[in-house]
Formats: sequence, structure tokens, C-alpha cells
Amino acid sequence: NAGVTQTPKFRILKIGQSMTLQCTQDMNHNYMYWYRQDPGMGLKLIYYSVGAGITDKGEVPNGYNVSRSTTEDFPLRLELAAPSQTSVYFCASSFNRDLREREQFFGPGTRLTVL
Amino acid sequence: DAKTTQPTSMDCAEGRAANLPCNHSTISGNEYVYWYRQIHSQGPQYIIHGLKNNETNEMASLIITEDRKSSTLILPHATLRDTAVYYCIVMPWSNYQLIWGAGTKLIIKP
Repeated sequence: NAGVTQTPKFRILKIGQSMTLQCTQDMNHNYMYWYRQDPGMGLKLIYYSVGAGITDKGEVPNGYNVSRSTTEDFPLRLELAAPSQTSVYFCASSFNRDLREREQFFGPGTRLTVL
Repeated sequence: DAKTTQPTSMDCAEGRAANLPCNHSTISGNEYVYWYRQIHSQGPQYIIHGLKNNETNEMASLIITEDRKSSTLILPHATLRDTAVYYCIVMPWSNYQLIWGAGTKLIIKP
């Protein structure tokens, strides 16, 4: 299994541009998550999904949109990029069958700079 | 949601046991303690989790005090590859949102 894959690895955007960060998992996990991590800080949840067609906001959703049309894919859309969105973005997935199996598996991250 | 307190940084000699403390004094009875680590800006990696009993797996041991107000992650024989930021997280049973603090930067020294 490839696990959780993310593309691109790096991206530089100009203010006002838009882009989609791709995330795919091949573990048949029902839950998927998007986090951002600013330098020296812990991760903050942007959006999450409990299954195809179902998404919900996390702690910092403003400026982002998501969709979940399949179990495998969970793209994150940035509209009108702003310098405050400069961060490292991590996608994760988990198989939440019960309380003992909620560990999240993370992708390698996308490093985004908005200038 | 319960919050956690961890030391900002710790050192440990290679080959020794690394003991990472975490305080979670407001933890509720149905909240689990999770530990993750992040090596040099890679994606975080799950280590272990527990409710009230001590837990052990191939990576580490988790010791939770009887009152559940604190816990210790033990890496029994630390190697240089264990240098990372270690996050202690309390997760409510009713949702799936991990609330991440700043973690403990563990440096393993040769």
C-alpha cells in the first residue's frame, strides 16, 4: 500500500491565485482530514470527512473548501490565496471502527508559499 | 476538550530510555491519550494510545497514572532516529478531532 499520498510537494502561489491540493489514500479508510501546520506549531484541523459525500469544518476552515466524491480522494481547494495561507498542509486518514482504532495515518505534506 | 502540557524540549543519550511526560489534568473519563511524533517536518506518525491501563507496542510504552491526570511515553532504547517532536493529545470519544499542542522536541545525543 502507498498509504496517504499528496501532490504537489511544493508550490508557490501569487496572492489571489487558486489551487487544489490533492490527497489520495489506498487503505479504504472512511475518515479523512486536512491539517495545516505553521512553523513551530502543532497541527490545526481545516476540514474533515467521515465518508464519501460528507464533509465538516474543523478549527480553521476559512479560505478553504473540500469535497469527497470517493472514499479514496479528498482534495482541498484554496480560493483567492493569501499570505496567511503560507503553511505546510497535511492530509490524513483513519479507519474509525471503534475507539481502539482511531489512529490517523498522515501523508508527506505539501509546502505552500503565497507571495 | 481536555488540554495537555508538555515540556518544550528534552535530551536523552542514545541507548538510554527516553521518558516523555504529559499532563492532562482535566481529562474526562471517556477520553483517550494519544501519542504521535513528527520527524523533521515529515507527516506525523502514530505511536501509541491508551485509556487507563498501561500499554506497550513495538515502538513504545505508555504509562498512565491511576488518576489519569498525567502520562509518560517511554522509548526503551532511544536511537538517533528517535529525534523528533512528540505530541501528547487527548481525544474526546465523541469526535475525531485531534487538538495538537506544540509538543516536546526530543533530541537523542550520541
